[in-house]
Amino acid sequence: DTEVTQTPKHLVMGMTNKKSLKCEQHMGHRAMYWYKQKAKKPPELMFVYSYEKLSINESVPSRFSPECPNSSLLNLHLHALQPEDSALYLCASSQESSSGANVLTFGAGSRLTVL
Amino acid sequence: GQNIDQPTEMTATEGAIVQINCTYQTSGFNGLFWYQQHAGEAPTFLSYNVLDGLEEKGRFSSFLSRSKGYSYLLLKELQMKDSASYLCAVTDSNYQLIWGAGTKLIIKP
Repeated sequence: DTEVTQTPKHLVMGMTNKKSLKCEQHMGHRAMYWYKQKAKKPPELMFVYSYEKLSINESVPSRFSPECPNSSLLNLHLHALQPEDSALYLCASSQESSSGANVLTFGAGSRLTVL
Repeated sequence: GQNIDQPTEMTATEGAIVQINCTYQTSGFNGLFWYQQHAGEAPTFLSYNVLDGLEEKGRFSSFLSRSKGYSYLLLKELQMKDSASYLCAVTDSNYQLIWGAGTKLIIKP
């Protein structure tokens, strides 16, 4: 299995809703990532988990809350989002996080629209 | 600061060759990546260079010169499906991946 699976593919939510994005990989990778990508922009790193521990939080607002229940799963809990949070949310995994040859395998993304 | 520059957009003809350049200034260097991203899809890994020189993989080749802070991605025998954005990214001394803004490649028949 060489895939990263993300659900849902599309999500529309109001500013008062609580929702979650889910990500799963079975490649034995020990690092998992959340990225946010706006149209015509590169991916913007949000969080990195290494060996199920949060190792990087790129000053992301607290309305985004990551969770890594085990080495294969990564969630992103969403609460009280703003319309400007609408974007493509990408999950990725890699064998390690502290390596030069750190090839990221991305999921297909969750397209989030906040009304 | 950390900076990666690549052209915003390029146009090429089906069957031709195109070279996409990338220059970088980062705090340290632990490798350079090229990713391909079709519109609305996730990036997919194309190549990785850590030593100077050319890496060839089928129709795609990637070159690195660390002394010049320069890389290029060479695409041969262009096909319509190569229309995509091509993202250059560098791993810095803290193993953080710094992304360029991407080059949108348009292939015309």
